[in-house]
Amino acid sequence: NAGVTQTPKFQVLKTGQSMTLQCAQDMNHNSMYWYRQDPGMGLRLIYYSASEGTTDKGEVPNGYNVSRLNKREFSLRLESAAPSQTSVYFCASSEREGSGEPQHFGDGTRLSIL
Amino acid sequence: LAKTTQPISMDSYEGQEVNITCSHNNIATNDYITWYQQFPSQGPRFIIQGYKTKVTNEVASLFIPADRKSSTLSLPRVSLSDTAVYYCLVGDSFYSSASKIIFGSGTRLSIRP
Repeated sequence: NAGVTQTPKFQVLKTGQSMTLQCAQDMNHNSMYWYRQDPGMGLRLIYYSASEGTTDKGEVPNGYNVSRLNKREFSLRLESAAPSQTSVYFCASSEREGSGEPQHFGDGTRLSIL
Repeated sequence: LAKTTQPISMDSYEGQEVNITCSHNNIATNDYITWYQQFPSQGPRFIIQGYKTKVTNEVASLFIPADRKSSTLSLPRVSLSDTAVYYCLVGDSFYSSASKIIFGSGTRLSIRP
């Protein structure tokens, strides 16, 4: 069982470059999420998709865009990367939306922006 | 959404029982309490969820007093592999949007031989 798969696992970008982080889940979950985690801190929600065809902002959406491509896939795009976006990015999914709904996480994409 | 407060760090030894307490004074009627575990270089993993009294699974137990203003995650007979960060979250699945999710900084548990 793959669960939530994120690609790539590591990436180094230069300031101003663009990039798309990919996420796919095979649990037939309706809701998907993107978080970022900075060193020594908890996770902060960037965007989420309650169901296929919908996306909403989380706590820290500035500088990011998302696309819910289908029920399985949810991508995160950095249009013009900045050093402040250096972080570990986690994708998660849950059966339905809700702040109390258990989420399943991928192993993250470690992104460095020089 | 109820804010949670947890100890920043805890230390224990192999074979001991570890109890991590989370305070959530403003918990709402519909809120559940959820705990996640995060190992270095991995995403968080759901451990356990409960509403009241006691919940037990193969990994941990969750104790919730009648007033629900706090909860305790209990890890029986810990091993070195239980060294991780543990997050306590409070929320519901029907009335509170996912945009309200707050992970906080968690409790960094270190297990010594």
